[in-house]
Amino acid sequence: DTGVSQNPRHKITKRGQNVTFRCDPISEHNRLYWYRQTLGQGPEFLTYFQNEAQLEKSRLLSDRFSAERPKGSFSTLEIQRTEQGDSAMYLCASSPGTDGYTFGSGTRLTVV
Amino acid sequence: DQQVKQNSPSLSVQEGRISILNCDYTNSMFDYFLWYKKYPAEGPTFLISISSIKDKNEDGRFTVFLNKSAKHLSLHIVPSQPGDSAVYFCAASDSGGGADGLTFGKGTHLIIQP
Repeated sequence: DTGVSQNPRHKITKRGQNVTFRCDPISEHNRLYWYRQTLGQGPEFLTYFQNEAQLEKSRLLSDRFSAERPKGSFSTLEIQRTEQGDSAMYLCASSPGTDGYTFGSGTRLTVV
Repeated sequence: DQQVKQNSPSLSVQEGRISILNCDYTNSMFDYFLWYKKYPAEGPTFLISISSIKDKNEDGRFTVFLNKSAKHLSLHIVPSQPGDSAVYFCAASDSGGGADGLTFGKGTHLIIQP
């Protein structure tokens, strides 16, 4: 399967705990994106990388959130001191820099 | 402030008929528009796009129309098939080609009835 892979698919955590999600993009895609989707909303842009460089961050990405893409391959998104408002689907996508993205199936986070 | 608006949360269409999904935007800097389709428990799938230099783009059963003066675009699906039942998102970019972050609407749930 050469699609975008996200792990885990589901994560339940207690408020205040840290969580980390992983995204493996399509190997030849140099751009990688993170989005968040809550119920009844469209995906909201969080951040993107071109190779290993983080080029843009949304104001939605508070200082509790950090994303990395070491060596320009897979990426991780960490949320520290989770809050109930962080409950959402976290979507990763990759792109060769031209038309359209390929999204992964997402990681559903539930903070209890 | 919603810069991309899909005012119909749901739309029901009979199989074989035309489905028309609408999208309005407020940011005049948007120059590239995309439609995505999403099934439950899956990520969105790219369908079709249009640049602001065009007013129509067609790909098989899917056609996107852009009216820049009205800041409005629409997706036409002809003929509608049961597998088209999904949530459709309109998205826009101001960075040319959509390579940077996209702004999405809230989606329209299309239901194709047999």
